[in-house]
Amino acid sequence: SQKIEQNSEALNIQEGKTATLTCNYTNYSPAYLQWYRQDPGRGPVFLLLIRENEKEKRKERLKVTFDTTLKQSLFHITASQPADSATYLCALRLNTGFQKLVFGTGTRLLVSP
Amino acid sequence: GAGVSQSPSNKVTEKGKDVELRCDPISGHTALYWYRQRLGQGLEFLIYFQGNSAPDKSGLPSDRFSAERTGESVSTLTIQRTQQEDSAVYLCASTFGKNTGELFFGEGSRLTVL
Repeated sequence: SQKIEQNSEALNIQEGKTATLTCNYTNYSPAYLQWYRQDPGRGPVFLLLIRENEKEKRKERLKVTFDTTLKQSLFHITASQPADSATYLCALRLNTGFQKLVFGTGTRLLVSP
Repeated sequence: GAGVSQSPSNKVTEKGKDVELRCDPISGHTALYWYRQRLGQGLEFLIYFQGNSAPDKSGLPSDRFSAERTGESVSTLTIQRTQQEDSAVYLCASTFGKNTGELFFGEGSRLTVL
């Protein structure tokens, strides 16, 4: 069956450290992968997109890697801040059929001062 | 407004009643999505509209759920004979074109079925 897996346990880190979140998928052939941030009671907000032929993408303190052999994406936040505390969702855009975006369940990040 | 607008933001209803949720996408966005998010869960795809093409309804959980979109404007998600398991936040998102990047989400409509 098709699955997108993100760590359901919250990730707790100290301010200033690098947070690394994982997204694994099975039985999908994504055209690209996206990461979103969701704060409590709000809709998700887009952060980064990485295509199947790209290995790494950066934006300010954010870095995303995409390994289509391992079927995994890693999302890094360097020099983390308490304001980075939120739930982070990965989403796959499928290669075939309708262009729907399929989401993982998200991982909650808590950055302590 | 500049963003995706959803109404109502909160809806409490009794089991068995029908509800309508509305989404106003960003002007010019041809694609529109509905997702459901149960408490503490991820986003569950419901339906996708792209321009005047037939919608992808593959995520609708039962025939009690339906959605319409007039052209490239407002969409309405209707849930008939609501059940307690329908309680969730219903999120709408829009984007421009077919092979695009980011989705722009509204703040959601929180539905509580008593």
